[in-house]
Amino acid sequence: DVKVTQSSRYLVKRTGEKVFLECVQDMDHENMFWYRQDPGLGLRLIYFSYDVKMKEKGDIPEGYSVSREKKERFSLILESASTNQTSMYLCASSRAGEGRRGTEAFFGQGTRLTVV
Amino acid sequence: AQKITQTQPGMFVQEKEAVTLDCTYDTSDPSYGLFWYKQPSSGEMIFLIYQGSYDQQNATEGRYSLNFQKARKSANLVISASQLGDSAMYFCAMREGGGGYQKVTFGTGTKLQVIP
Repeated sequence: DVKVTQSSRYLVKRTGEKVFLECVQDMDHENMFWYRQDPGLGLRLIYFSYDVKMKEKGDIPEGYSVSREKKERFSLILESASTNQTSMYLCASSRAGEGRRGTEAFFGQGTRLTVV
Repeated sequence: AQKITQTQPGMFVQEKEAVTLDCTYDTSDPSYGLFWYKQPSSGEMIFLIYQGSYDQQNATEGRYSLNFQKARKSANLVISASQLGDSAMYFCAMREGGGGYQKVTFGTGTKLQVIP
């Protein structure tokens, strides 16, 4: 079974802190993604990566950065946490492929981040 | 511009009836994939069904089928014979890009409630 593991289920941080959210997958997937989920807004893509050290901005990258030094690990960094970054953060990974089944995204359990 | 649009924030369906959840998408990429995910109250994301842009036939997976109308850019999910356990949030998603580079974006979701 594919496993995507996020380092924390719940996190409380103070405004201005630098926050690291870690995600590890064990299926050798090429693609990894970070989303935030807010009520009424669905899942919004923050950053994604299709290879080690490769990263692409998603739809809402402001205030975030990412790191992918190893294929299995994709980290999301909040440079200076703010209250409007309070949210559920979801990490996902998927196998590369085009026009084929079996390339769906697998998700971690989510990290509920509260910035106070 | 929104890439994935789900216009139904919430829907009700009677148990054992069929229900259609709407999804329209926007892309200029000739090769793309469309996915539907289910998110029960427990928060996990469950993959339901996939449709490739070049697939000639509509995808089906058990009680789930995808009504793919390429010219209209719509990919509606049809759930037949609804069950109480189908009550959940449903997200439509699109993968753009082929080979290595793949971006996956989600809609805002539809909350489905099945009434006994």
